[in-house]
Order: sequence, then C-alpha cells, then structure tokens
Amino acid sequence: DAGVIQSPRHEVTEMGQEVTLRCKPISGHDYLFWYRQTMMRGLELLIYFNNNVPIDDSGMPEDRFSAKMPNASFSTLKIQPSEPRDSAVYFCASSREGLPEIDTQYFGPGTRLTVL
Amino acid sequence: AQTVTQSQPEMSVQEAETVTLSCTYDTSESDYYLFWYKQPPSRQMILVIRQEAYKQQNATENRFSVNFQKAAKSFSLKISDSQLGDAAMYFCAYRRMYSGGGADGLTFGKGTHLIIQP
Repeated sequence: DAGVIQSPRHEVTEMGQEVTLRCKPISGHDYLFWYRQTMMRGLELLIYFNNNVPIDDSGMPEDRFSAKMPNASFSTLKIQPSEPRDSAVYFCASSREGLPEIDTQYFGPGTRLTVL
Repeated sequence: AQTVTQSQPEMSVQEAETVTLSCTYDTSESDYYLFWYKQPPSRQMILVIRQEAYKQQNATENRFSVNFQKAAKSFSLKISDSQLGDAAMYFCAYRRMYSGGGADGLTFGKGTHLIIQP
C-alpha cells in the first residue's frame, strides 16, 4: 500500500489567501484525522471523520478552517483567509477500527504551511 | 479532558546504552490505548509501540519496551541497545476507547528529543 498521501508537501502563501490541503487515506480505512503541529502547541487534533462523516471538529481553531471528506479516498482541509499564525505542519492520518482490537493511526508525511 | 505529560524535553544516551523516556497521563476513563510515536527529522510520524489499557502485560517490540503502570497513570518507553537511527523526537499519545466501538483522535504529549551520542 502507498500509505497516506498528502499534497502539497510544502506550501508558501501570503496572508489573506485561501489554502487547501489534500489527503488520500489508506484504502479500506474508515477513520481519517487531521492534526496540526506547531512549536508552541505541539501536536493537536483538529477534526476527524468516520465513514466520511465529521465526528468531532472541536479542535478546529476558528471559522476560517473547514474540512470535507466527499468520499472514502479524499479529504481536504481549507483555510480561508490564511493568517501567519496558521503556519504549521499539518498531518493527515487514517485508521481502520474493528472490535475488539483498535487499529493504529498511520500518518502521512505532512504539509508544511508557511503564511507570510 | 485527557492530558499527556512528558517531563523530559531532551534526553541524551550513549550508543548501545539503554534509555528510558517518561510519560504520565490523566484520564477518568478505564478503556484506552497508549502509544509511542517517533518523529525523525524527516517529520514522518512512525509508530513505535502501543499498549492496550486492559492488558496487564507490558508491550515489547524488539529493542523497545514499555513499563505501563495503570494505577499510577505512567507509561514509560525503554530503548535498549540504542542506535544512531533512534535519534528523533518521541511522542507519547493517548486514545480513548468506546465500549461500542470506535475511538477518538490522539492526545499527544509535548515530546522528548532523544540524542544518541556515538
């Protein structure tokens, strides 16, 4: 399997611009997670989906952030308008859950976002 | 809310020696999972080891083992025979488990930077 795929790997944009990050989970996985990593806040969960449905978006910092999962093989995280404090590494992860054992979350390589 | 604490921002060990990374967590739940992830400079998050809270036996993966103390809410990682390739950030993580199936996202500690001295 190719693993979790994220694009772009690096994104540099100017304040006020719209940014879209993309993720393709591992085939067959039914959970998809978006995380953000910064020096100040560490790794934090933004939102996660189960079977394409958002389950918990309480970690989304504000209305400028939105995430969608139109099908089982694709998800986007959008920031509009972007601000310098959004600069971070954004990770996508996926997993397949099954009782009684829990599967592991597999992470993509991350997207390093820089907002100037 | 669950919290995960890694009290050692940085640790250093000689190659071939053993090192232990500390992690404590706070939760009121009884069913959960604990993980150690490794993040090398490439920033890829790599699972090192995981522990189910209902299992009393400590997990082991080759040179990596954990000391899971449920009552103390402690989950330390021991790396034996340290190798240069072990140099990385190590993150402890917690994940709640629901009795009906499914789970939350991961709650991470701040990480420990492990340096391997040749």
